[in-house]
Amino acid sequence: DTAVSQTPKYLVTQMGNDKSIKCEQNLGHDTMYWYKQDSKKFLKIMFSYNNKELIINETVPNRFSPKSPDKAHLNLHINSLELGDSAVYFCASSREGLAGAPFSYNEQFFGPGTRLTVL
Amino acid sequence: AQSVTQLDSHVSVSEGTPVLLRCNYSSSYSPSLFWYVQHPNKGLQLLLKYTSAATLVKGINGFEAEFKKSETSFHLTKPSAHMSDAAEYFCVVTLTSGTYKYIFGTGTRLKVLA
Repeated sequence: DTAVSQTPKYLVTQMGNDKSIKCEQNLGHDTMYWYKQDSKKFLKIMFSYNNKELIINETVPNRFSPKSPDKAHLNLHINSLELGDSAVYFCASSREGLAGAPFSYNEQFFGPGTRLTVL
Repeated sequence: AQSVTQLDSHVSVSEGTPVLLRCNYSSSYSPSLFWYVQHPNKGLQLLLKYTSAATLVKGINGFEAEFKKSETSFHLTKPSAHMSDAAEYFCVVTLTSGTYKYIFGTGTRLKVLA
């Protein structure tokens, strides 16, 4: 009955490789997010999708490409991995508000995180 | 633009003593405010949220926070710390209209001493 799940939990890879992280939520939410947590525990949003449509795209290198095949899934693909990509990546989801857009009162539910290590 | 400042990067308390984790926010509009907890190697769990209703908000595990507009603060408190409270705590701000993007504070690591 996991609400937001991510796979894999750990990912160790070489520089220059391409990798994907998968996220699924079974909460029936319409909005999903990707966050990056650096080594100092600082969390920053990367992307957000609402009903499979990209609504937030922070200043993230275009080597990062989110893909949302349906409302319950938001995957993150990373090309040409660099050392600086090493971090913990969190997926999250939330309900949308009355206007059909994410509503700020609605809390986000987070997945357990994927620790990416680039060697 | 909105922002959030967590005033202490580390807080140590003895088990059974009160906890105070400080958070100040900056926002041009009415904010929504949240506190999340992250235990080691785990995801984030919501402790409580303020959404312009009662200014004193009660959350899970005995935590509460008070929204003080005049001080632009949303400090997290607990009367008596438990060993299981040791974790990283994040204060989050978002606007009540327009952008719903979470802005995270830099986190406060709470250590509970036996």
